[in-house]
Amino acid sequence: ETGVTQTPRHLVMGMTNKKSLKCEQHLGHNAMYWYKQSAKKPLELMFVYSLEERVENNSVPSRFSPECPNSSHLFLHLHTLQPEDSALYLCASSQDSPGTEPNTGELFFGEGSRLTVL
Amino acid sequence: GNSVTQMEGPVTLSEEAFLTINCTYTATGYPSLFWYVQYPGEGLQLLLKATKADDKGSNKGFEATYRKETTSFHLEKGSVQVSDSAVYFCALNNAGNNRKLIWGLGTSLAVNP
Repeated sequence: ETGVTQTPRHLVMGMTNKKSLKCEQHLGHNAMYWYKQSAKKPLELMFVYSLEERVENNSVPSRFSPECPNSSHLFLHLHTLQPEDSALYLCASSQDSPGTEPNTGELFFGEGSRLTVL
Repeated sequence: GNSVTQMEGPVTLSEEAFLTINCTYTATGYPSLFWYVQYPGEGLQLLLKATKADDKGSNKGFEATYRKETTSFHLEKGSVQVSDSAVYFCALNNAGNNRKLIWGLGTSLAVNP
């Protein structure tokens, strides 16, 4: 497989369920991202992992819990979600080299996991 | 702060029509500018980019020129196809790393045969 793969593509869950979204990248990148995409809103960056260390956490509620066991895998654990959390959750990866070298700005996205919270 | 403003959609065109999607930005310094495209049922993918003033990014017949004097990065294509139907996102990066991309709201394009 190549690129960034997300599973499941669709998920319906109740407010009391616990589920996880999975992302896997086969590009050899060292940074991975979770974004939330909702209608009529800009893409919202949720979490960033660089070299398996969380480097960004943009005031995301604790009902979303990320996990990055290695540089190729990223999970988003979900529990006691609210209906307003229904959205498309996008995973992305890139080569991250913060410091003096400017980055290309190119992120490689998966196809997303469409989450519906009932 | 940094921001990106895109024209609201949806944009509906007939095949072979000329396309312009406007994008303006607010940023200090010299950001890099990007257009991403999201085809139905897919994630976003980079369409083109420009990293300094007067640069022109191009790909798949699409072009955009980095205009610092008007703080714009409008996307253009001379003759659209049905397969260009997608959502187009303008973005900027002013932080020197990929963590701080600033996104526009996206513009939906529908091309009819």
